[in-house]
Amino acid sequence: DAGVTQSPTHLIKTRGQQVTLRCSPKSGHDTVSWYQQALGQGPQFIFQYYEEEERQRGNFPDRFSGHQFPNYSSELNVNALLLGDSALYLCASSPDKMNTEAFFGQGTRLTVV
Amino acid sequence: GIQVEQSPPDLILQEGANSTLRCNFSDSVNNLQWFHQNPWGQLINLFYIPSGTKQNGRLSATTVATERYSLLYISSSQTTDSGVYFCAVPYSGGGADGLTFGKGTHLIIQP
Repeated sequence: DAGVTQSPTHLIKTRGQQVTLRCSPKSGHDTVSWYQQALGQGPQFIFQYYEEEERQRGNFPDRFSGHQFPNYSSELNVNALLLGDSALYLCASSPDKMNTEAFFGQGTRLTVV
Repeated sequence: GIQVEQSPPDLILQEGANSTLRCNFSDSVNNLQWFHQNPWGQLINLFYIPSGTKQNGRLSATTVATERYSLLYISSSQTTDSGVYFCAVPYSGGGADGLTFGKGTHLIIQP
């Protein structure tokens, strides 16, 4: 079992550009959630995808959007990048059942310059 | 949404010492997870513990759901225990939610 995998591991973008981050869930998991972790802070919930639809969203602007594919993998897109979007982006997967454990990927470290 | 507070924010101990990390949450939840974040950013699952007590080697955790807190115990600390420890609960209390994290406890174990 490969666990949750994310790509790329590191990325440098220029302010104003757009970025796409990718996540493959753990085998047997169909729900994917995305988190942003700024330096020195805990991860902040961005949104959750299930059955190819956004099911729940945290307090993030519409510049943050996502997609889930039929194989349950997911993308996070961020438009019009700001310097403040520099962070570690984490993906988590879980089965769509109540009270189940979430597992995280190794993250993508995004730097906006 | 739910508020999660962790204490202490920082903890420096000598190798071999024991420690207790605390997580308080503001509303009823039906799951709670503890994680250890390594220096490369990977969140390692320690415990999934909505209630009761669990043990895994030198680590154990207790959640008292009715009083809205959880404790993580680390015994006989080793330098490899260093890092940031997070607790997390469902974003709006429901079991299938995304997670709300505390700000973490930064643990440093000195040789």
